Amino acid sequence: GNSVTQMEGPVTLSEEAFLTINCTYTATGYPSLFWYVQYPGEGLQLLLKATKADDKGSNKGFEATYRKETTSFHLEKGSVQVSDSAVYFCALTLDNAGNNRKLIWGLGTSLAVNP
Amino acid sequence: GAGVSQSPSNKVTEKGKDVELRCDPISGHTALYWYRQSLGQGLEFLIYFQGNSAPDKSGLPSDRFSAERTGGSVSTLTIQRTQQEDSAVYLCASSSGLAPEQFFGPGTRLTVL
Repeated sequence: GNSVTQMEGPVTLSEEAFLTINCTYTATGYPSLFWYVQYPGEGLQLLLKATKADDKGSNKGFEATYRKETTSFHLEKGSVQVSDSAVYFCALTLDNAGNNRKLIWGLGTSLAVNP
Repeated sequence: GAGVSQSPSNKVTEKGKDVELRCDPISGHTALYWYRQSLGQGLEFLIYFQGNSAPDKSGLPSDRFSAERTGGSVSTLTIQRTQQEDSAVYLCASSSGLAPEQFFGPGTRLTVL
């Protein structure tokens, strides 16, 4: 079946450190891939997306590249800030019957950035 | 330019009672999704509405759960005879249907005592 696996947290970093959160997927067909972020006390926000192989999504200094050969979509940021502390979710969607693009989620990775 | 709104933001109920959760999607979005976020299960798809088509109910965990969408806009998720395992955050998302990304509301935190 279709699934998303992301690295377990919590991840704790110092400010300005480099961040990588690994995400791999299993999918029948050609999924679109997403990273969503949930800041403390807030709802889910779309961080970035990629809809086909070799696409790079980017936003707020975060990047992720859709790698079909390794079925991966790892999230990276060169220099994290305290304000990046949040839970990060990797997700995929496929074009199902009736255009149901339900999201299939990883379990989330909690990131804490210390000053 | 309002986003997805949900009400109530918090709901505490007693086991066995019925609850209704409301979602107001982004204006013009034809696709509407309900998800559940719980500690044990992560994020799970519940139900999908697209325009006037029959909904995809494949994610509903039991027949105590139902949802409707009136006039292609507002949606209500109803849980009958609530159980403690129904305690979770219920999230609504909408999408234009043209692009794959979904936009989420703030969620309703349901606590069943």
